[in-house]
Amino acid sequence: DTGVSQDPRHKITKRGQNVTFRCDPISEHNRLYWYRQTLGQGPEFLTYFQNEAQLEKSRLLSDRFSAERPKGSFSTLEIQRTEQGDSAMYLCASSLTGTGGGYTFGSGTRLTVV
Amino acid sequence: GQQVMQIPQYQHVQEGEDFTTYCNSSTTLSNIQWYKQRPGGHPVFLIQLVKSGEVKKQKRLTFQFGEAKKNSSLHITATQTTDVGTYFCAGSGGGADGLTFGKGTHLIIQP
Repeated sequence: DTGVSQDPRHKITKRGQNVTFRCDPISEHNRLYWYRQTLGQGPEFLTYFQNEAQLEKSRLLSDRFSAERPKGSFSTLEIQRTEQGDSAMYLCASSLTGTGGGYTFGSGTRLTVV
Repeated sequence: GQQVMQIPQYQHVQEGEDFTTYCNSSTTLSNIQWYKQRPGGHPVFLIQLVKSGEVKKQKRLTFQFGEAKKNSSLHITATQTTDVGTYFCAGSGGGADGLTFGKGTHLIIQP
């Protein structure tokens, strides 16, 4: 297992278009998280899954954002009707509960909305 | 909602000097984690603290969790150029919630 994989690495889209990102977590990990990070800021929590169940969603997350994790494996994050303010690095992380370990982050998908 | 604050935002040190970053939460935490992010990279997990007053060491790095479980610190002894990056603390209130990250402390080292 090579860690958490995210695809694509970069995405440039026009305002108003829909985009979808994919995350493949470490296979043994049961929790999967989505964070957003802008320049000079810390990661901002978006949502997380335990297995296939979405357990929490940030109140800051508009209804244009939706995430899925079918079968508790990979996850997708979709942003509908993108806005310039959506431009950011979208980070996925995974973890295994009960181990005392932290999150393993992927390299992220950098979204630029033009 | 839970807020996690870090100071300082930036720290310039000469190579060989010590460095400390401080983290404060608006609420009591069940645990706190520290991450390092190199320029252009992604956050990498360093350590988790769970117990009140806990102190853990990793080579030149010393992590502390406050008695009230609302604050934490990271101290680096004799910084090296490889220590360059942004150090984030991230707190959890426990239960079914994700980590709340601070804004980070950017460590800049001058040779």
